[in-house]
Amino acid sequence: SAVISQKPSRDICQRGTSLTIQCQVDSQVTMMFWYRQQPGQSLTLIATANQGSEATYESGFVIDKFPISRPNLTFSTLTVSNMSPEDSSIYLCSVEDWGGALTDTQYFGPGTRLTVL
Amino acid sequence: AQSVAQPEDQVNVAEGNPLTVKCTYSVSGNPYLFWYVQYPNRGLQFLLKYITGDNLVKGSYGFEAEFNKSQTSFHLKKPSALVSDSALYFCAVRSRTSGTYKYIFGTGTRLKVLA
Repeated sequence: SAVISQKPSRDICQRGTSLTIQCQVDSQVTMMFWYRQQPGQSLTLIATANQGSEATYESGFVIDKFPISRPNLTFSTLTVSNMSPEDSSIYLCSVEDWGGALTDTQYFGPGTRLTVL
Repeated sequence: AQSVAQPEDQVNVAEGNPLTVKCTYSVSGNPYLFWYVQYPNRGLQFLLKYITGDNLVKGSYGFEAEFNKSQTSFHLKKPSALVSDSALYFCAVRSRTSGTYKYIFGTGTRLKVLA
């Protein structure tokens, strides 16, 4: 499996500010995803991070609120912009490598626990 | 529409007893099915998957799952539960939409193994 790291692991932020979360994989992967999870609840897909092009957002999520970058095949960032308490969640990065050693399985990072005051 | 259902919010089992965590699915075509486990303050860990072949799939930590096409189920099982198995378990199905793949997760089942 892949080794996936996320920074920061947790943060407490003031409303109106922005936080950028980093996701780093130890090998090149085709696909990187960003999810949101309320503590103890299920995962909601925010977007698919596409290398070299704009991310593909799911219904209910927009680029202005959650800008995503993916400059190469091992790294992605998710920014949570103009935060409100409703953005308090765990944000998870995941990867899948189509056609490669990690094909047909999605692997997850440890998550970033965000609290917005 | 593709979906996954985990009918039990919580499952309690005594240590040493067999455990089952239920999952049913609704997909078009052949399903790719997964189980993940989440320990407190951790990300999701992959346990096992079914893509094709033998209906009984073996995974990490002694877990296994049985794919039943007629009942559209993929229940997670373990012959003898450990206290350390206490965690949140998610069933997922991989869905193909508009030329790409997405994973649809169930609502999760909290497993509590009692000493």
